[in-house]
Amino acid sequence: KNEVEQSPQNLTAQEGEFITINCSYSVGISALHWLQQHPGGGIVSLFMLSSGKKKHGRLIATINIQEKHSSLHITASHPRDSAVYICAVPLYSGGGADGLTFGKGTHLIIQP
Amino acid sequence: ETGVTQTPRHLVMGMTNKKSLKCEQHLGHNAMYWYKQSAKKPLELMFVYNFKEQTENNSVPSRFSPECPNSSHLFLHLHTLQPEDSALYLCASKDRSGNTIYFGEGSWLTVV
Repeated sequence: KNEVEQSPQNLTAQEGEFITINCSYSVGISALHWLQQHPGGGIVSLFMLSSGKKKHGRLIATINIQEKHSSLHITASHPRDSAVYICAVPLYSGGGADGLTFGKGTHLIIQP
Repeated sequence: ETGVTQTPRHLVMGMTNKKSLKCEQHLGHNAMYWYKQSAKKPLELMFVYNFKEQTENNSVPSRFSPECPNSSHLFLHLHTLQPEDSALYLCASKDRSGNTIYFGEGSWLTVV
């Protein structure tokens, strides 16, 4: 089974700062997910990536398959970015419809 | 609004009660999942259904009983639960390409 480590667990920053959240996993994967969870509980998928880098607005996700590591960056952070960010990878290395295993999440607070 | 609908959003039940959680998606997805999120713990896979067939049971106690009558609906039947089963239960579905996973808003369950 795959295991996921995320850091930091908590992060408070000022509006406008560049944010980096890190994720490491133990077993080779086909793809990694970055998710965003707001206080009400709902979860939104931000990225799924299997190599290189993806960008969506102010969010950038990178992955290094050889090092089993991914980062999520937020540029020009804003208070509305405050949420829990979660990294997830396939529970088993085969991928497919096996389900995901998740990091503990990074609780991000952006202060005005 | 992700297209995955969960009901009820909140449920309080006694340890001797029988209740059910419902998940519905009309996105045309064939893979559906139940996840559990307990306080201070990461999301945890419970069950996977693919084309209505259960393909994964992640060592879930038998007091949780899933049912998938068709590719659009997924139920989680609950009976004789324990207070430690109180958690957020999230349903998710995935498209054929596996590129994006869609989560429902979750059902907050309290067992008293």
